[in-house]
Amino acid sequence: DVKVTQSSRYLVKRTGEKVFLECVQDMDHENMFWYRQDPGLGLRLIYFSYDVKMKEKGDIPEGYSVSREKKERFSLILESASTNQTSMYLCASRPGTGDGTQYFGPGTRLLVL
Amino acid sequence: ELKVEQNPLFLSMQEGKNYTIYCNYSTTSDRLYWYRQDPGKSLESLFVLLSNGAVKQEGRLMASLDTKARLSTLHITAAVHDLSATYFCGVGNNDMRFGAGTRLTVKP
Repeated sequence: DVKVTQSSRYLVKRTGEKVFLECVQDMDHENMFWYRQDPGLGLRLIYFSYDVKMKEKGDIPEGYSVSREKKERFSLILESASTNQTSMYLCASRPGTGDGTQYFGPGTRLLVL
Repeated sequence: ELKVEQNPLFLSMQEGKNYTIYCNYSTTSDRLYWYRQDPGKSLESLFVLLSNGAVKQEGRLMASLDTKARLSTLHITAAVHDLSATYFCGVGNNDMRFGAGTRLTVKP
């Protein structure tokens, strides 16, 4: 079974703090994704990565950065957290070949005070 | 930019009834995915539709894809309480985009 894990299920941070959200997958997938999920808006793509050290902006990259130093790990960084970044963050991975199904982690619910 | 629209966003059904959820998308794609999300949980893959006219069925759920109309449907037959969840469609060959989700509640 594919396993995608995220470092925290719940996180509370203060405005202005630097926040790291970690995602690890154990299936040697080339592609990894970060989404945020908000009520009524569904999932919105923040960043994705096709390979180590590669990154591509999604639809809402402002206020976020990412890092992919190893194939299995994809980190989302909030350089200076703001209250409008309070959300559920979902990581996903997908192999480079196959039917394109993405496998999701359990999510991190982030509250920025 | 690819946009994905689902409707309805909220659906309350009686057990035993049938209903259809619609997923429209704005640009050409031959890949469409349906996911289910239970409260407090992550997304679980339901169906992968990879060509025009594709139809997949699992239990009381059936999904279809019309790439010419840029439309997928998720049909629910004789709904049961266990189907209560939020359903998302996702579209895209590489970087997937999702609809806003349909929150389905099945009442006895």
